[in-house]
Amino acid sequence: QQQVKQSPQSLIVQKGGISIINCAYENTAFDYFPWYQQFPGKGPALLIAIRPDVSEKKEGRFTISFNKSAKQFSLHIMDSQPGDSATYFCAAGTSGSRLTFGEGTQLTVNP
Amino acid sequence: DAGITQSPRHKVTETGTPVTLRCHQTENHRYMYWYRQDPGHGLRLIHYSYGVKDTDKGEVSDGYSVSRSKTEDFLLTLESATSSQTSVYFCAISESWGLISDTQYFGPGTRLTVL
Repeated sequence: QQQVKQSPQSLIVQKGGISIINCAYENTAFDYFPWYQQFPGKGPALLIAIRPDVSEKKEGRFTISFNKSAKQFSLHIMDSQPGDSATYFCAAGTSGSRLTFGEGTQLTVNP
Repeated sequence: DAGITQSPRHKVTETGTPVTLRCHQTENHRYMYWYRQDPGHGLRLIHYSYGVKDTDKGEVSDGYSVSRSKTEDFLLTLESATSSQTSVYFCAISESWGLISDTQYFGPGTRLTVL
């Protein structure tokens, strides 16, 4: 199974709050899990990525948490800002294979 | 957008007409991809290329063909456009494929409407 399921479809948080987006996958061969950020009218851009040999990766206010046994990974945005308002896509892939993307989450951060 | 341009940026066409979308890169990356983006479906791979004249199908390739005669250009053709092909099309490039640190860089997209 190549599916990657992402939730929620949309998310509204207040400025300063924590945004959490979740993804689940089925293919245990996946070994690369990137998150992409997309602003309106733009193409997606890599935000942060993780390998399954670590349970967490943090870059600034963005953190990926990875649970290999549950086949789930999530993006946490701390101290969310209005400038973080965008669509976020999780993805999963394997060496020598293509990326499979989740359905996307539209995040709105209210001032 | 990492040295990637797409043309046209917007196009409205009629059912049954052929349409060609162009992706041009200045990064000299080996791999190029065409995706379509639709609400509720995320990004789905149409076709990809791993070198000049080397292409392969993605998960939603029916009704699409591609060509790559030069490293920098990757063309997506809809031989006979249908309303179900109304979408936003993104080109992406990557330097390598299969390496854990690989990154795909996306172009600005082409919004195609098929009436």
